[in-house]
Amino acid sequence: DQQVKQNSPSLSVQEGRISILNCDYTNSMFDYFLWYKKYPAEGPTFLISISSIKDKNEDGRFTVFLNKSAKHLSLHIVPSQPGDSAVYFCAASRDSNYQLIWGAGTKLIIKP
Amino acid sequence: KAGVTQTPRYLIKTRGQQVTLSCSPISGHRSVSWYQQTPGQGLQFLFEYFSETQRNKGNFPGRFSGRQFSNSRSEMNVSTLELGDSALYLCASSRQGSNEKLFFGSGTQLSVL
Repeated sequence: DQQVKQNSPSLSVQEGRISILNCDYTNSMFDYFLWYKKYPAEGPTFLISISSIKDKNEDGRFTVFLNKSAKHLSLHIVPSQPGDSAVYFCAASRDSNYQLIWGAGTKLIIKP
Repeated sequence: KAGVTQTPRYLIKTRGQQVTLSCSPISGHRSVSWYQQTPGQGLQFLFEYFSETQRNKGNFPGRFSGRQFSNSRSEMNVSTLELGDSALYLCASSRQGSNEKLFFGSGTQLSVL
């Protein structure tokens, strides 16, 4: 049972344009969501997070939007840069008795 | 502040052998989680240790085990290695639990021949 889904295995975007990565979840108990970025053969690094009491959080070029009614979140990267080429994972959390639940990841490719 | 350190970085073993991987968390972090990543797959949760106790466990066979020491350093052991155990093993630390922002090490790339 995949509680967190990233339905696009890969996404290709022109440099300078907007990248939009999507994530859907099924468990309404999730109250904290995170995005991580991962380069090959390295550990993921934290990018941005959002609490369920908000619908938007912004950090520089990165903005995460949360639509609780649709159980959907998205990560916007504007403008996209070559260094943004990586795999992006979304993860969801509920309470301290449970570990983060991870999506399968979306590989973002920024074309020059 | 030093990050999460995993050793060794690369490891080559043969089927049937056993392996021990090590993880030193960020100073002050008491929770250590272990993940497996295989090519094309997401992050599969193995287990979490907090204050030397296993607090959460994923759906992996008993060949996968771990422990945590009083200084929060953790080790993961895989016995009777199988070809399918070839993967990147990632360790992550956090202050209180595996449900919050995690800091990952660079991982140990294990190849089973």
